[in-house]
Amino acid sequence: EPEVTQTPSHQVTQMGQEVILRCVPISNHLYFYWYRQILGQKVEFLVSFYNNEISEKSEIFDDQFSVERPDGSNFTLKIRSTKLEDSAMYFCASSSGTGGPGTEAFFGQGTRLTVV
Amino acid sequence: GNSVTQMEGPVTLSEEAFLTINCTYTATGYPSLFWYVQYPGEGLQLLLKATKADDKGSNKGFEATYRKETTSFHLEKGSVQVSDSAVYFCALRISSGSARQLTFGSGTQLTVLP
Repeated sequence: EPEVTQTPSHQVTQMGQEVILRCVPISNHLYFYWYRQILGQKVEFLVSFYNNEISEKSEIFDDQFSVERPDGSNFTLKIRSTKLEDSAMYFCASSSGTGGPGTEAFFGQGTRLTVV
Repeated sequence: GNSVTQMEGPVTLSEEAFLTINCTYTATGYPSLFWYVQYPGEGLQLLLKATKADDKGSNKGFEATYRKETTSFHLEKGSVQVSDSAVYFCALRISSGSARQLTFGSGTQLTVLP
């Protein structure tokens, strides 16, 4: 069964460092997303990506964040200068785009980012 | 704006007990509603969904009915198993052009004891 793959599963980084979280969405999907979950809090939407551009982003997704689909298979989230409050589980998701708003989004297992 | 309010956990039940996890929503449009489950060490998986009022989603013995009049989508299961221990997330989506993000509730941790 096709699945969304995220790497690494856990990343520890020093405050102020850049990190890149990687995702391989399901191959025929058209919509890509990043969400995050700070420990004990809600899963929050960060950004959606369609047709090689950002289609929607939340207030959380400020200038420190960027996304890229560099080679048609990977989908990356970059945090330019990490802060302690960026520590969270980051989930990548993708969906096919057919079937309207009821279309299932498939999620990866998440990358736990710890900023020290 | 859009939001989802879930029953706070954690919830601990004995095997074969009846489960209800409450979920209510507010939405500016006409949402589709979802329940996702996260088993230990795994990602979020779609459990069930409903796309219009009075629809009932069901899967693996779980059910939820889209109630527009009460803006609710409560998750139920008649007899839980130890293997149902997981975190359950209620979510909604309103499609607007190319924006199809999900809005999640806070999640409910369920532990089923043998």
